[in-house]
Amino acid sequence: DGGITQSPKYLFRKEGQNVTLSCEQNLNHDAMYWYRQDPGQGLRLIYYSQIVNDFQKGDIAEGYSVSREKKESFPLTVTSAQKNPTAFYLCASRRSGTSGGIETQYFGPGTRLLVL
Amino acid sequence: QKEVEQNSGPLSVPEGAIASLNCTYSDRVSQSFFWYRQYSGKSPELIMSIYSNGDKEDGRFTAQLNKASQYVSLLIRDSQPSDSATYLCAVKSAAGNKLTFGGGTRVLVKP
Repeated sequence: DGGITQSPKYLFRKEGQNVTLSCEQNLNHDAMYWYRQDPGQGLRLIYYSQIVNDFQKGDIAEGYSVSREKKESFPLTVTSAQKNPTAFYLCASRRSGTSGGIETQYFGPGTRLLVL
Repeated sequence: QKEVEQNSGPLSVPEGAIASLNCTYSDRVSQSFFWYRQYSGKSPELIMSIYSNGDKEDGRFTAQLNKASQYVSLLIRDSQPSDSATYLCAVKSAAGNKLTFGGGTRVLVKP
């Protein structure tokens, strides 16, 4: 059963607490991405990684951290520095296209983070 | 100005009609364009990709790209209630390996 898995489905964070969201893929994709989606909004890029042991900041990286120690895994930590973390977090991975260079991103089911 | 813009809707269409969604982008060197469908509470799923000017058809969906005018559109023919969702436009620049998303257009298909 191939695909992208995210856990947990729901996560509650207390004030001052760091929490880690899991993202795993068995699609053999090289690139992985983390997005944040607020209600009624589009997706905003937090971090992305094109190869193992390398990652780049996206548009809203402040208050977040990532690691990419294995090709299959790209966990996201929401730190206490992120003052407004309540959102829907989506992980994606990218399949490289063939001719024409279209590169398609596929999404996991998402984690909804709520602040207590 | 946002990099990728969509009308937030809702776009209300009767069942069986054509739904027409538009997306404009600001980066002239953008090379690949994607339409994702997102049901409420779920993650986006890819429905169309296009990178050449003109039309691309897949079942009831047609994507249209006009790079000179910097817009991409999505037509949904014979709209069904199951097409009710938010449709996200995404654009990939030639400069990098990341997508920029629009805010999405909410579509409501009424029986």
